[in-house]
This record gives sequence, C-alpha cells and structure tokens, in this order.
Amino acid sequence: KAGVTQTPRYLIKTRGQQVTLSCSPISGHRSVSWYQQTPGQGLQFLFEYFSETQRNKGNFPGRFSGRQFSNSRSEMNVSTLELGDSALYLCASSPAGTSYEQYFGPGTRLTVT
Amino acid sequence: KQEVTQIPAALSVPEGENLVLNCSFTDSAIYNLQWFRQDPGKGLTSLLLIQSSQREQTSGRLNASLDKSSGRSTLYIAASQPGDSATYLCAVTGLQTGANNLFFGTGTRLTVIP
Repeated sequence: KAGVTQTPRYLIKTRGQQVTLSCSPISGHRSVSWYQQTPGQGLQFLFEYFSETQRNKGNFPGRFSGRQFSNSRSEMNVSTLELGDSALYLCASSPAGTSYEQYFGPGTRLTVT
Repeated sequence: KQEVTQIPAALSVPEGENLVLNCSFTDSAIYNLQWFRQDPGKGLTSLLLIQSSQREQTSGRLNASLDKSSGRSTLYIAASQPGDSATYLCAVTGLQTGANNLFFGTGTRLTVIP
C-alpha cells in the first residue's frame, strides 16, 4: 500500500497571503489529522477529519481551517499568513474511527517571509 | 491539559550499547501511547503502539512498556546501531480529547557513535 502523501513538499509564501496544503491518506483510512511542528512549540494537533466532518480541533486560531473530501483526501488552509506560521505541517491517517495507529506523511515545509 | 515529558533531551551512546528512553505523561486517562522516530527534516515513522490495557509491545530490537497508573513509558533499544540515530518521540491520546488527537513529548535526540 502506498503511504500517506502530502503536496507540496516545500512552499514559500509572503506574510498576508493564504496557502492550501493537501494530504492523501493510505487507501482505506478514513481519519485524517493535521499537526504543526515548530522548534519552539514542538508538535501540536490542529484538527481531525473523519467522513468529511471535523471531529476534533486543537487550540489554533480560525485562520487555520480544513476539509475532507469523499475520497478521504484532506486539505488544510491557512489564511492571512504570519511569520510564526512557518513550520513543518504533517498529516496522519488512521484506518477507522478510534484508537488506531497513526501513519504520518513526509510533511510540507512552509516558510513565510 | 495533558503534558508529555521526555528525558533525556539528548543521548549519545557507542554502537552496540543497550539504551532506555523515558516518557512521562500527566493524565493517565489515555487510549494509547505511540512511539515514533523522526529523521531530520522528515515525517514521523511509527515504531510501536501500546493500547491502554497493554503493558508492553515488542518489535525486533525495540521494546516499549507502559505503566498507565504512574504515567510512564519506556522505549528500550537493544544493541544500538548508527542507523538508530534519530529523534524519538512519544505521544498519547486521551479519553477526554479524542483517540486521534496525539499529545507529543519534545523528543529525545539519539546519536549512536560507530
């Protein structure tokens, strides 16, 4: 089975712009979660989607949003980018609703200048 | 709020040594605990998953234990190799916060010297 894929792998944006990141889960996995990794804050949970519905949300401002499509692919969007949004954004998929092993993609490295 | 701590932050050992990485968490109401490794600039690779009802899991040279009541887990690596050099992260999911919301520790950076 192919692993979790994320596109693009690298992105450079200017402060104030918006960005959309994409994640394709492992085939058959219905849950997709997003995480932000920074040197200062470590890995932090953004949100989880399951069956096209946001099921859980971390403590991030409303500028961070996401969605999931019927084929389980997910996108996250960050509007009005700030310098502090520079980070590695990771998505993870798991096979069913609860308490399963999470499999991570390679991440998208976002740099905001 | 769940807090996860990993000690030590960095560890350097000669090849062939056995080693133990530690992880502690403040809220014992967890679904499971997962250990990952992360190579520089890369995503996370899952190593072991321990459900809250289990005490340990083994995969090859790796053995992870879980003591839920004391909020502790250890990852034992036997006969370390240079290829084991990476950052090791533990993460828990909480009964209150959702089974797919991982709370991560800050990691232990392991260097295995040939």
